[in-house]
Amino acid sequence: KAGVTQTPRYLIKTRGQQVTLSCSPISGHRSVSWYQQTPGQGLQFLFEYFSETQRNKGNFPGRFSGRQFSNSRSEMNVSTLELGDSALYLCASSREPTPANYGYTFGSGTRLTVV
Amino acid sequence: GNSVTQMEGPVTLSEEAFLTINCTYTATGYPSLFWYVQYPGEGLQLLLKATKADDKGSNKGFEATYRKETTSFHLEKGSVQVSDSAVYFCALSDRNTGNQFYFGTGTSLTVIP
Repeated sequence: KAGVTQTPRYLIKTRGQQVTLSCSPISGHRSVSWYQQTPGQGLQFLFEYFSETQRNKGNFPGRFSGRQFSNSRSEMNVSTLELGDSALYLCASSREPTPANYGYTFGSGTRLTVV
Repeated sequence: GNSVTQMEGPVTLSEEAFLTINCTYTATGYPSLFWYVQYPGEGLQLLLKATKADDKGSNKGFEATYRKETTSFHLEKGSVQVSDSAVYFCALSDRNTGNQFYFGTGTSLTVIP
């Protein structure tokens, strides 16, 4: 059974550029969430999607955006990259419409480095 | 609001030692509690969970009991192995505030032979 697939695994971008990260959830999972992991801030919530609808958004600037497609795949975009955006971006999926009760399955993440 | 406070690391133990990683929480509603584990270069894996007070989650020899009276969810294992070396995260979710998870800062565990 395939897990949560995130692409690419590693990415190096220059300040001011934009980037798109992709996440393919486990087959049958319709809930997708994104988290940013940094040594200083730990794991911080970015977005949560269910059936193409954003249900919740974390406290990040508008440069961070995302979407979910009809096949449950999700993308997140960061525009005008800053050095502080360097992080591991984790995508997580759940079969349940209320993952709060069941937990998520996480992907291995995309390591973004902004130079 | 919702938050999780986790024992600072790093923790270094000898193989077969007893492990406790402390976790306490603050929540406005009725949270579910989780322990996740992260191995180097990988994402988080769900280790165990408990969804209501007095529930005990267990998996792979790890246990944690949801204690509402002390707002705690401490992780324990009776005999650690080298393969348990990883970073452990305590987390809570509150369905009344959406499906956002609140994570602790993580505790790094190294088990030496």
